[in-house]
Amino acid sequence: KAGVTQTPRYLIKTRGQQVTLSCSPISGHRSVSWYQQTPGQGLQFLFEYFSETQRNKGNFPGRFSGRQFSNSRSEMNVSTLELGDSALYLCASSPRLTGANVLTFGAGSRLTVL
Amino acid sequence: EDQVTQSPEALRLQEGESSSLNCSYTVSGLRGLFWYRQDPGKGPEFLFTLYSAGEEKEKERLKATLTKKESFLHITAPKPEDSATYLCAVPLIYGGATNKLIFGTGTLLAVQP
Repeated sequence: KAGVTQTPRYLIKTRGQQVTLSCSPISGHRSVSWYQQTPGQGLQFLFEYFSETQRNKGNFPGRFSGRQFSNSRSEMNVSTLELGDSALYLCASSPRLTGANVLTFGAGSRLTVL
Repeated sequence: EDQVTQSPEALRLQEGESSSLNCSYTVSGLRGLFWYRQDPGKGPEFLFTLYSAGEEKEKERLKATLTKKESFLHITAPKPEDSATYLCAVPLIYGGATNKLIFGTGTLLAVQP
């Protein structure tokens, strides 16, 4: 059974550019969440999608956005990149939203902003 | 405000030297506590879910326990391959159906041979 796949694994951008990250969840999983991980803040929740609808959003500026497609694949976009956006972006999937569900994480996309 | 705090931030053990990691939480209601392991360059990997005070779960050299205010991850006779960052997290309880987790900042464990 394939795990959660994130692409690209590594990328380098400059300030002001934008970036799009992709996440393919485990087959059959309809819930996709995104987290930002930095050494100082740890894992911070970005947003969560279920059945193509954003269900929750974390405390991040509007430059961070996302979407989910009908096949449950998800993308997140960061516009007008800032140095502080350098982080590991993790995607996680789960079969459902109700209950205390185990999240299965991908390996992450490591973004460096110069 | 819901909060999860882990201690110590870093721990260095000799192979075979048992110890415990702590995760304390302040949440309005608990519907589970998760432990994850994260290796460098990888995403977190699920270890355990605990649901109620008094519950214990074991996996190889790891045992997780839960009280009303904290959870412990006990590592018995660790090996170098147990070196990793250990994260605990609690699910958000309000705001409707959600998988949002509040994570602690983790404990970086290094086991030396």
